[in-house]
Amino acid sequence: DAKTTQPNSMESNEEEPVHLPCNHSTISGTDYIHWYRQLPSQGPEYVIHGLTSNVNNRMASLAIAEDRKSSTLILHRATLRDAAVYYCILNAGGTSYGKLTFGQGTILTVHP
Amino acid sequence: DAGITQSPRHKVTETGTPVTLRCHQTENHRYMYWYRQDPGHGLRLIHYSYGVKDTDKGEVSDGYSVSRSKTEDFLLTLESATSSQTSVYFCAISESGLAGNPYGYTFGSGTRLTVV
Repeated sequence: DAKTTQPNSMESNEEEPVHLPCNHSTISGTDYIHWYRQLPSQGPEYVIHGLTSNVNNRMASLAIAEDRKSSTLILHRATLRDAAVYYCILNAGGTSYGKLTFGQGTILTVHP
Repeated sequence: DAGITQSPRHKVTETGTPVTLRCHQTENHRYMYWYRQDPGHGLRLIHYSYGVKDTDKGEVSDGYSVSRSKTEDFLLTLESATSSQTSVYFCAISESGLAGNPYGYTFGSGTRLTVV
């Protein structure tokens, strides 16, 4: 399975944008890039996903490099409630039955 | 999340006893998954189901079995609990098994299991 690499931790100030990077140099053509986050004492929560084009939703934006070997999750204005562990995951196509392979994730700290 | 519930939320059990965790969904989703989360390992897939009575192993399935006799329930059983199975267990559901699933995966709130 293709792997992802994320920084262990990042810090941000409230109301500032946050750019969370993810490297996935061995990504295959059918792998989707998914982002989940996990707040303390909760289960993971879906954030966003994409294949090739940049994606926007109400929670965040996903910027995907042209060669697809890296991507960036963008939180436009961080709030204290965005403090969580953010996971970048490659979801393989084909007959993977939607299995997600989690890495260690990035711990995001948001300062008031 | 209202569409998926796990029970119990917390459990302490003794080594060697059988334990069953339940995941119940009201979304009528076809795909269900059991993960465990341990410090330093992130979430790891134990078993998954792609339909009633259709299940398969994940990456850490040893010591666990599952059953899915109806769409809404996915049971995880530890036949003889060991201390290494002390963990937080998460269930997830998905409407689609496709990688480009536009709906994402919904996770439950977890079950904290302690084996003493």
